[in-house]
Amino acid sequence: AQSVTQPDIHITVSEGASLELRCNYSYGATPYLFWYVQSPGQGLQLLLKYFSGDTLVQGIKGFEAEFKRSQSSFNLRKPSVHWSDAAEYFCAVGSSGGGADGLTFGKGTHLIIQP
Amino acid sequence: DAGVIQSPRHEVTEMGQEVTLRCKPISGHNSLFWYRQTMMRGLELLIYFNNNVPIDDSGMPEDRFSAKMPNASFSTLKIQPSEPRDSAVYFCASSPIGGGWNTEAFFGQGTRLTVV
Repeated sequence: AQSVTQPDIHITVSEGASLELRCNYSYGATPYLFWYVQSPGQGLQLLLKYFSGDTLVQGIKGFEAEFKRSQSSFNLRKPSVHWSDAAEYFCAVGSSGGGADGLTFGKGTHLIIQP
Repeated sequence: DAGVIQSPRHEVTEMGQEVTLRCKPISGHNSLFWYRQTMMRGLELLIYFNNNVPIDDSGMPEDRFSAKMPNASFSTLKIQPSEPRDSAVYFCASSPIGGGWNTEAFFGQGTRLTVV
């Protein structure tokens, strides 16, 4: 069965500093990987996704993520965070593109931005 | 498109009452998913439909939970009778069927259910 681990429950970063959120997955075949962001009281918004090809993927809001098969990781990065980035971030893995049979989500990482 | 629309946004009900959550997927999407989000368990897939047909309901916690999709533009998740431990945020999501670059799930804003 597929699974996702986000080892950091909370992360605090100063505004303007760089950010890396960790994600490790377990999946038997080629994974389809996603990062979603959830602002307070809102649904989930897709930041970026990896299906194949270039292992460094660019997303919205200045985020990027790198797929590393050898480490079973898909860490999310941003060079300089803004106060508006404070939110909950979810990594997810899916088979067949995540549409046919749903996604498995990590527990999420709560990002706090210090002024 | 207005995106995935869920109603109500908030629901407070008494234990033992029936609760019905509603979802309108994005037009043209063939897959629909119901998720439950709690602090303890995170986001869990409850059930999903392809072309209005339930494919996997193994995530439905108990027989008190049921879901239907009578047509391509509407789905319900019903809890009868409701219990306090059902309190959570319930998300509906939809996506096109099939793999490829355009297969991603679009989420509604969720229904926050509180059972007292």
